[in-house]
Amino acid sequence: AQRVTQPEKLLSVFKGAPVELKCNYSYSGSPELFWYVQYSRQRLQLLLRHISRESIKGFTADLNKGETSFHLKKPFAQEEDSAMYYCALSNTGGFKTIFGAGTRLFVKA
Amino acid sequence: SAVISQKPSRDICQRGTSLTIQCQVDSQVTMMFWYRQQPGQSLTLIATANQGSEATYESGFVIDKFPISRPNLTFSTLTVSNMSPEDSSIYLCSVSPGVTSGGFDYGYTFGSGTRLTVV
Repeated sequence: AQRVTQPEKLLSVFKGAPVELKCNYSYSGSPELFWYVQYSRQRLQLLLRHISRESIKGFTADLNKGETSFHLKKPFAQEEDSAMYYCALSNTGGFKTIFGAGTRLFVKA
Repeated sequence: SAVISQKPSRDICQRGTSLTIQCQVDSQVTMMFWYRQQPGQSLTLIATANQGSEATYESGFVIDKFPISRPNLTFSTLTVSNMSPEDSSIYLCSVSPGVTSGGFDYGYTFGSGTRLTVV
């Protein structure tokens, strides 16, 4: 069965500390993985896609097929990174996307 | 990326009534998606709406309860029918610009959501 697991509901770090939001997935084919972010009072928006191998706002995520993981990382957290983060998996062609339960990141001053 | 206008942003409704949520996109898109986000939970896909055809519903969702219209490539509506308190949720419209020539997904753009409370 297709599944996206984000084991942490809440992650709290100090400003300047490294942050890693965990995401594990279960999928029988070749998935496409995404991270979405929702800042306070804003709509949900795409942060990054694994296929583009990009760094957005200092965040990166590497797809590890062996461990079926797609963890989101940032070396130095900023207060403005405080938000809700969702890991998502799409089947090939993007016709159906499954979201994880989300992790709320709180960056303390 | 596409810009989505979704309304109403919130509503409080009596049980047994129906609410229609509108989603307007500033560009033509083939596929539009409706999601539900119940309190404290993740997003769950309700249905996929393609212009000119019946919506495709996910397991647990039926057309009688959540009828969808898709009259053109820029507009869709979702109706929550015969509402009960269990329908209290955030409903989200989203679109995908599609896939690249290599078959890779561009990801979704979301509306601002409709926060529905049924009393």
